[in-house]
Amino acid sequence: NAGVMQNPRHLVRRRGQEARLRCSPMKGHSHVYWYRQLPEEGLKFMVYLQKENIIDESGMPKERFSAEFPKEGPSILRIQQVVRGDSAAYFCASSLGTQGGLETQYFGPGTRLLVL
Amino acid sequence: DAKTTQPPSMDCAEGRAANLPCNHSTISGNEYVYWYRQIHSQGPQYIIHGLKNNETNEMASLIITEDRKSSTLILPHATLRDTAVYYCIVREDGQNFVFGPGTRLSVLP
Repeated sequence: NAGVMQNPRHLVRRRGQEARLRCSPMKGHSHVYWYRQLPEEGLKFMVYLQKENIIDESGMPKERFSAEFPKEGPSILRIQQVVRGDSAAYFCASSLGTQGGLETQYFGPGTRLLVL
Repeated sequence: DAKTTQPPSMDCAEGRAANLPCNHSTISGNEYVYWYRQIHSQGPQYIIHGLKNNETNEMASLIITEDRKSSTLILPHATLRDTAVYYCIVREDGQNFVFGPGTRLSVLP
């Protein structure tokens, strides 16, 4: 079984450019989560999506950040007009979306964004 | 904020059992205890989770105290590849995972 896939694995952007991070969930998973990890810090939740719906975006910065999970294709985390503080590792996770303690999230390898 | 408290670091000799403690004194009845680990520069890896009963899988054992206020993750025969940051997380269905700073386990040869 293919795990959660993220691309690109590394992304370099200059200040003011846009960054697009992609996440393909595990086969059969319909829920996607995005996390950000700053250097030497723990993971911070950003957003939780199901197909075509944002369920919880309480961890998303109010400006410049957006996420989508279309009916077809991967989930996209988009950062507009990047600044140096956006440099971090961005991890995507997916889950089945069932109940009863089965909402274990499985993580991808991450995208490391470097803003110059 | 994370609902758990873990020691910031631990050492373990290769081949010995690694016992990683976690305190979660405010855990509620519907909250599960999850353990993940993050090996350097990789995504977090699911290890195990439980509600009340002790659990065991091919990776580890999870021992939850009867009052559920603390738990221990046991890696029975630690190897160098088990060196990682280990996160203990409590959550109930529908809640987000909140990662604290975790325990940095160093397995020493």
